[in-house]
Amino acid sequence: DAGVIQSPRHEVTEMGQEVTLRCKPISGHNSLFWYRQTMMRGLELLIYFNNNVPIDDSGMPEDRFSAKMPNASFSTLKIQPSEPRDSAVYFCASSLGRDGRTNQPQHFGDGTRLSIL
Amino acid sequence: AQKITQTQPGMFVQEKEAVTLDCTYDTSDPSYGLFWYKQPSSGEMIFLIYQGSYDQQNATEGRYSLNFQKARKSANLVISASQLGDSAMYFCAMREGADSSYKLIFGSGTRLLVRP
Repeated sequence: DAGVIQSPRHEVTEMGQEVTLRCKPISGHNSLFWYRQTMMRGLELLIYFNNNVPIDDSGMPEDRFSAKMPNASFSTLKIQPSEPRDSAVYFCASSLGRDGRTNQPQHFGDGTRLSIL
Repeated sequence: AQKITQTQPGMFVQEKEAVTLDCTYDTSDPSYGLFWYKQPSSGEMIFLIYQGSYDQQNATEGRYSLNFQKARKSANLVISASQLGDSAMYFCAMREGADSSYKLIFGSGTRLLVRP
């Protein structure tokens, strides 16, 4: 079975450009999470969705960041305009959420390594 | 206050020996889940093992086991018979509440290096 699929794997762009990261969750999973990983701050949750609805976006750093989940099989994280401090690895993860059960792990994609010059 | 604390930034272990990676957590929710993930140098995040707050027995998955001490709020990962391929970052994470759709809170990680 296919895991979480992220694209692109690597992205290098100049500051000020718009960056769009894409994620396809595991089929049947109803929760989707976007994380950012840096050496300084570790793994940070940016936003997560349940049944395509954003539940918690308190981790989104600022208005330059936006995320959408138009359907159950696709999500995007957009940065506009991008800045050098946005350079990081961005992970998408999905899980099968079930009421009353906490044991479903989040399955991660391979990440997008983003470099803003 | 930190929800998940991993006090060992880095550790060494000799190949074939066992190693314990520490994790303490802080929550007032009676229902929670604890997870361990492995991140090798290639960067992917790999789920290893899960322990639920109501589980009576410590979780085990192959060479991985979780030493769950609820009263002390610790969930240490034990890797038996270490292999060179175990060299990686290891993250402890917690999910609060009784719903698997809730977010995970991650610790800062422990870098494990297995010596031949």
